Amino acid sequence: GAVVSQHPSWVICKSGTSVKIECRSLDFQATTMFWYRQFPKQSLMLMATSNEGSKATYEQGVEKDKFLINHASLTLSTLTVTSAHPEDSSFYICSAWPEETQYFGPGTRLLVL
Amino acid sequence: KNQVEQSPQSLIILEGKNCTLQCNYTVSPFSNLRWYKQDTGRGPVSLTIMTFSENTKSNGRYTATLDADTKQSSLHITASQLSDSASYICVVSLDSNYQLIWGAGTKLIIKP
Repeated sequence: GAVVSQHPSWVICKSGTSVKIECRSLDFQATTMFWYRQFPKQSLMLMATSNEGSKATYEQGVEKDKFLINHASLTLSTLTVTSAHPEDSSFYICSAWPEETQYFGPGTRLLVL
Repeated sequence: KNQVEQSPQSLIILEGKNCTLQCNYTVSPFSNLRWYKQDTGRGPVSLTIMTFSENTKSNGRYTATLDADTKQSSLHITASQLSDSASYICVVSLDSNYQLIWGAGTKLIIKP
């Protein structure tokens, strides 16, 4: 099956700093990628849809100025959590649909101190 | 309101036993229903995808059923293994494949 990778797998940062998470499609091109957030014991929540060469589409309640998304190439989307706060600590997962099956990255665990 | 409800919230069974997880949905328009397995600290992995016309689909020891009339689905795991310990998530797609309604998942623990 298709492979989606994420980097880093985990990150710890101080409050107020910015953190960039990368999502790559390794063996296919993805014009659209999706960013999810998952809090402990909860299911995935879609944050935004990343579109190659155009602006991302954010779900209701997700601050676009806080969660910056850049999809500069057909194999790379980045999510930058700006001025991170402890409440941003979560598990961030990206995904893509090269076919009818949705493939997810391994996730990035963010801890903001 | 589009919703997907899963039961039980959590389940503990002994290795080798079978189990069935339930998913009820109120989603319209319905496109397909997916079951995912998510290991702790990992992204979800697709197990099965079923469209409106499909009643059952298997993937190894996993068998999913779908009753579109009652809007219910189940995931049956046979001869459970320790590696089956994970969260199992039911997801229903609206007509547009990218619009997904996620269940909260069932946390399954297999004990030796």
